[in-house]
Amino acid sequence: SSVLTQPPSVSVAPGKTATITCGGDNLGVKAVHWNQQKPGQAPVVVIYYGSDRPSGIPERFSGSISGNMATLTISRVEAGDEADYYCQVWDSGDDHVLFGGGTKLTVL
Amino acid sequence: QVQLVQSGAEVQKPGSSVKVSCAASGGTFNNSVFHWVRQAPGQGLEWVGRVIPVFEGAKYAQKFRGRVTISADKFTATIYMELSNLKLEDTAVYYCARSRSPMSTSDGFGTWGQGTLVTVSS
Repeated sequence: SSVLTQPPSVSVAPGKTATITCGGDNLGVKAVHWNQQKPGQAPVVVIYYGSDRPSGIPERFSGSISGNMATLTISRVEAGDEADYYCQVWDSGDDHVLFGGGTKLTVL
Repeated sequence: QVQLVQSGAEVQKPGSSVKVSCAASGGTFNNSVFHWVRQAPGQGLEWVGRVIPVFEGAKYAQKFRGRVTISADKFTATIYMELSNLKLEDTAVYYCARSRSPMSTSDGFGTWGQGTLVTVSS
């Protein structure tokens, strides 16, 4: 079974750019999504299929995939972006969903 | 606007079972893909399984096979997750979620329930 690897934490100053990575086998050919979870709340999807931003999500959020790495980029970071971020993949081989371990984004 | 409303918190003893419900409103129920995801205290998200009401049967993460049953009631538009032989480590918030697109098992989760805390304690 596949494993998705994320850095446990990322810190960034307000106004700067945060980059959160998710590593896994052949992510370039898989359905990768990103979820944001603030304390005490249910997760919210911020990126679908690697780079599609749902309505209501600021343009500051973007995603990309290359090879075995998916990346969530948050530009002009704001205090309100502080949250845990989880990548999510559908494994077609086993037909199940995997989550990365999550990355805690701290805004300094 | 699709909404998922879950049942309230539960406290159960080790070895017992718990059944959590998730009432869906808005959208098309029968063709939707509903998932259960859990989150232990201070831990990450863990997929439990999914069901598509129009089809019989559900898909489960290997870790939970034999202990979990996910079902759908098409008449009340409600999804259920029953976890049996509870262990202390099953203490977690259990979320139901719905894939954004009908019949799509690969899509992201466009809607999440509010979560149900299940505490397993002797």
